[in-house]
Amino acid sequence: AQTVTQSQPEMSVQEAETVTLSCTYDTSENNYYLFWYKQPPSRQMILVIRQEAYKQQNATENRFSVNFQKAAKSFSLKISDSQLGDTAMYFCAFTPFTGNQFYFGTGTSLTVIP
Amino acid sequence: DGGITQSPKYLFRKEGQNVTLSCEQNLNHDAMYWYRQDPGQGLRLIYYSQIVNDFQKGDIAEGYSVSREKKESFPLTVTSAQKNPTAFYLCASSRASRVTNSYNEQFFGPGTRLTVL
Repeated sequence: AQTVTQSQPEMSVQEAETVTLSCTYDTSENNYYLFWYKQPPSRQMILVIRQEAYKQQNATENRFSVNFQKAAKSFSLKISDSQLGDTAMYFCAFTPFTGNQFYFGTGTSLTVIP
Repeated sequence: DGGITQSPKYLFRKEGQNVTLSCEQNLNHDAMYWYRQDPGQGLRLIYYSQIVNDFQKGDIAEGYSVSREKKESFPLTVTSAQKNPTAFYLCASSRASRVTNSYNEQFFGPGTRLTVL
């Protein structure tokens, strides 16, 4: 069975500081994709960053980067220079290369404090 | 612009009524999904479809039904058998076949908020 675990229900960070959100997953698949989605108060789900498991290099998108540790099955999200607009619920997600189901964590609610 | 539309944005239902939530995509995706989201919780899969005229139950399919007559459309019916239907419903789509170095993530619609009166 595939599972995704986010152990931090709520987090807060001061504006302009850096914060790291944790995600672990469990799978027997060797090739898969990992994602971080952001859900702001509007509730529109927005893709933040994605990582392909066969790529060792950590993905980066502007202020967002990941620390992908395949052996440890860990996929944390680092947000640098936090902005007020980063306040949202963040979901970690996994999908195997074969098959079409997506598996989501329960989310981390991030608040950026001015 | 390509994307996913859901309608209506807000929906009110009386107890005992069936209601249908619309989901349309013009991304040429084969796979489509319905999720339910309750306050403070993650996404729970209701149904998904990988191809026209075929769909599979997710984790919480009881009280819901779907159809997939066209590639672009995947409507969800909330039946009177669903005992606690008040929730936020999200529709998503993705490629059905995986392509390396390509986009394989899910794209989401804006959601429908269903309230039972």
